[in-house]
Amino acid sequence: NAGVMQNPRHLVRRRGQEARLRCSPMKGHSHVYWYRQLPEEGLKFMVYLQKENIIDESGMPKERFSAEFPKEGPSILRIQQVVRGDSAAYFCASSPQDSRNTEAFFGQGTRLTVV
Amino acid sequence: DQQVKQNSPSLSVQEGRISILNCDYTNSMFDYFLWYKKYPAEGPTFLISISSIKDKNEDGRFTVFLNKSAKHLSLHIVPSQPGDSAVYFCATGGTSYGKLTFGQGTILTVHP
Repeated sequence: NAGVMQNPRHLVRRRGQEARLRCSPMKGHSHVYWYRQLPEEGLKFMVYLQKENIIDESGMPKERFSAEFPKEGPSILRIQQVVRGDSAAYFCASSPQDSRNTEAFFGQGTRLTVV
Repeated sequence: DQQVKQNSPSLSVQEGRISILNCDYTNSMFDYFLWYKKYPAEGPTFLISISSIKDKNEDGRFTVFLNKSAKHLSLHIVPSQPGDSAVYFCATGGTSYGKLTFGQGTILTVHP
């Protein structure tokens, strides 16, 4: 019973390039959340998706960031034209249901470094 | 606008003693509270949770206390073990679906 799988674990991009982060939720989970952790800070909510739908993207920066969760395949967090300030750990979490009171299970994260 | 605060960046405890980690929140709409543990280079791992209808939840060495009037929760670990050394995040939810609001984290070090 595999957990939440994120790849790559580490990603280095030059300024101006695109970064694609992938997340496969736990088996049976249809709800995916992306969080970002900047150095010395807690995790900040970015976006909540269900299959083929963005439910809440209130934590996403207005520009350059997008997310999708297609009918088939993993969820993708895409960052266009990366800047140094995008360097962070990006965590994906999944949950089995649309419940207000449930824990989310996290992947191991993707550490993005922009040089 | 920090809705969830962990005011102690770090805590050092001797093995066998009690570790107490604290967390304060501002939004009275939060009604579900969780603690996550995180090792370096890994994702957060769920530890224990409590809903607002309770004031205490216990799971083995871990107990979470909730004081709704003070908007304060704490995690007690007893006895503490060196393997407990990690970053501990409190998180709140319940306003909608599974979206969580995290504190900044407390680094716990348990000395042998």
